[in-house]
Amino acid sequence: QQKVQQSPESLIVPEGGMASLNCTSSDRNVDYFWWYRQHSGKSPKMLMSIFSNGEKEEGRFTVHLNKASLHTSLHIRDSQPSDSALYLCAASSNYAQGLTFGLGTRVSVFP
Amino acid sequence: NAGVIQTPRHKVTGKGQEATLWCEPISGHSAVFWYRQTIVQGLEFLTYFRNQAPIDDSGMPKERFSAQMPNQSHSTLKIQSTQPQDSAVYLCASSLAPEVFFGKGTRLTVV
Repeated sequence: QQKVQQSPESLIVPEGGMASLNCTSSDRNVDYFWWYRQHSGKSPKMLMSIFSNGEKEEGRFTVHLNKASLHTSLHIRDSQPSDSALYLCAASSNYAQGLTFGLGTRVSVFP
Repeated sequence: NAGVIQTPRHKVTGKGQEATLWCEPISGHSAVFWYRQTIVQGLEFLTYFRNQAPIDDSGMPKERFSAQMPNQSHSTLKIQSTQPQDSAVYLCASSLAPEVFFGKGTRLTVV
């Protein structure tokens, strides 16, 4: 069983709409979370990191973290076709060591 | 900054042959990671080095896989007696914590 669970597996969003992605870790030692985006045929690139309870916003992207439930969510507002990609959640007990990734949520934004 | 450089980009090996994958991390980054990505298993951590020293190889299949970092400018991942199930995209990454930068990967196909 994956230690980092992501939902949904896939998401279809109209251009201009909101995409909401979820991620939960089953490892109680986890303390740090990242969100990566991987466009088709490309390597993953870090989108946002969150290490403290609460919310963090960067442009159209907002992440939430609840450390008690080891749950993080990523919200993309005003979705654009260029946001179509695989979104990977990663977690670690130490911000400087290897990451454990979920299987990802594939987001498709249609015009 | 050319980013993390991986060579070759594609490699095809026959079952039972050896494959060596190369990685040049970003200059100045102290940590180097190896991951493997498949559709079924997703992005899996294999091993990582910090300041050239091996720190964690918990994700490495023990018998046929080995990784080295002989100097700060390159790392290798060697797979002996390759099997069809080793077919995957192997991603090298380097880090100046907390952000991890991935290379474009080596697609290994074992026939």
